Amino acid sequence: AQSVSQHNHHVILSEAASLELGCNYSYGGTVNLFWYVQYPGQHLQLLLKYFSGDPLVKGIKGFEAEFIKSKFSFNLRKPSVQWSDTAEYFCAVNALQSSYKLIFGSGTRLLVRP
Amino acid sequence: SAVISQKPSRDICQRGTSLTIQCQVDSQVTMMFWYRQQPGQSLTLIATANQGSEATYESGFVIDKFPISRPNLTFSTLTVSNMSPEDSSIYLCSVLGQGREQYFGPGTRLTVT
Repeated sequence: AQSVSQHNHHVILSEAASLELGCNYSYGGTVNLFWYVQYPGQHLQLLLKYFSGDPLVKGIKGFEAEFIKSKFSFNLRKPSVQWSDTAEYFCAVNALQSSYKLIFGSGTRLLVRP
Repeated sequence: SAVISQKPSRDICQRGTSLTIQCQVDSQVTMMFWYRQQPGQSLTLIATANQGSEATYESGFVIDKFPISRPNLTFSTLTVSNMSPEDSSIYLCSVLGQGREQYFGPGTRLTVT
């Protein structure tokens, strides 16, 4: 069965620290990849997406993610986090042959200390 | 991206009763989806709702328990029937964007006592 793994359930950083959140998926075919973010009290928002082309994709608020096909990974990065980045981050995968279904990872709660 | 609203935002229900959750979109969309997020867990797709056809349910979810309506291109409902405490979750609707991304509503937090 297809699955998505997020290695870190809780991450605590100080402002200006660099961030990398891991995401691995188990599916050998063509995939679309997403990172969603849920800020406290808000609904789930799309942070960035990868469909094809350049494996390094840039999203909103200075986030980027790199698709490494050989490692089945789509890690999220930000060079310098801010207190306002405190949120829960979800990686999601759409395996093209399974229609539009999104399979989500378990999420990573990020706390950024001022 | 579309603006999505859900009603109710939260509810507390007694076991054995049913609750209908509404999802309204500010523009016409071809595909809508219903997800569940159980406490401490990630989102799981319940079903895909297309206008004019029966909803397509994922493994582990059945129409008798989660009947879905999709009367037009801007609206859908999900009913949680004969509720038990195990149905306590956040229920979210989403819509398909221009590509294959999905945009989510604010969710309905359901507590079954």
